[in-house]
Amino acid sequence: RKEVEQDPGPFNVPEGATVAFNCTYSNSASQSFFWYRQDCRKEPKLLMSVYSSGNEDGRFTAQLNRASQYISLLIRDSKLSDSATYLCVVNRGSYIPTFGRGTSLIVHP
Amino acid sequence: DAMVIQNPRYQVTQFGKPVTLSCSQTLNHNVMYWYQQKSSQAPKLLFHYYDKDFNNEADTPDNFQSRRPNTSFCFLDIRSPGLGDAAMYLCATSRVGLGMNTEAFFGQGTRLTVV
Repeated sequence: RKEVEQDPGPFNVPEGATVAFNCTYSNSASQSFFWYRQDCRKEPKLLMSVYSSGNEDGRFTAQLNRASQYISLLIRDSKLSDSATYLCVVNRGSYIPTFGRGTSLIVHP
Repeated sequence: DAMVIQNPRYQVTQFGKPVTLSCSQTLNHNVMYWYQQKSSQAPKLLFHYYDKDFNNEADTPDNFQSRRPNTSFCFLDIRSPGLGDAAMYLCATSRVGLGMNTEAFFGQGTRLTVV
């Protein structure tokens, strides 16, 4: 089983739609979780950290379910500029970022 | 201002010719990582330095080596590049310590082509 698993998509949605991505992880001892965004041929950039209580940043909401070892990212009111690959990251041990393969999002007019 | 800087951005090397990629950081982070990312795949960790301590991933080929001469710089050496080593190489840093575990910051990557 891979350490971090994501549905690669692509998710193809119209502007204004709400879209949700999921991610599962295998190590129940993991403590830190993140969502990164990666544009084509660019480096990953932190979108948001994921906290146990859930957290929101504008149109983006991240949630963590430790019992199910599951992380989600919700994007509301999708913009064309949200088109990218969204990478789920779970720290191995206390600090080593381990990546899922990413979920591709395409927002169309 | 760029905080993790990788040079060069694009590197073309000949099959079997040693190549070195460089990374520098202005964040004073104690951990530096090297990842390999191939098209449509997850970034794959090759190794990392925790301060001066080198940590190799079990499945990283011997063809890949690294040096960290000081806190700010880290190098990736590919001794004999093969066609399968063509990829984006990403350097990242993070600050790790008691009660502190920040996210990783990435450089812009070096795209390696092997001809």
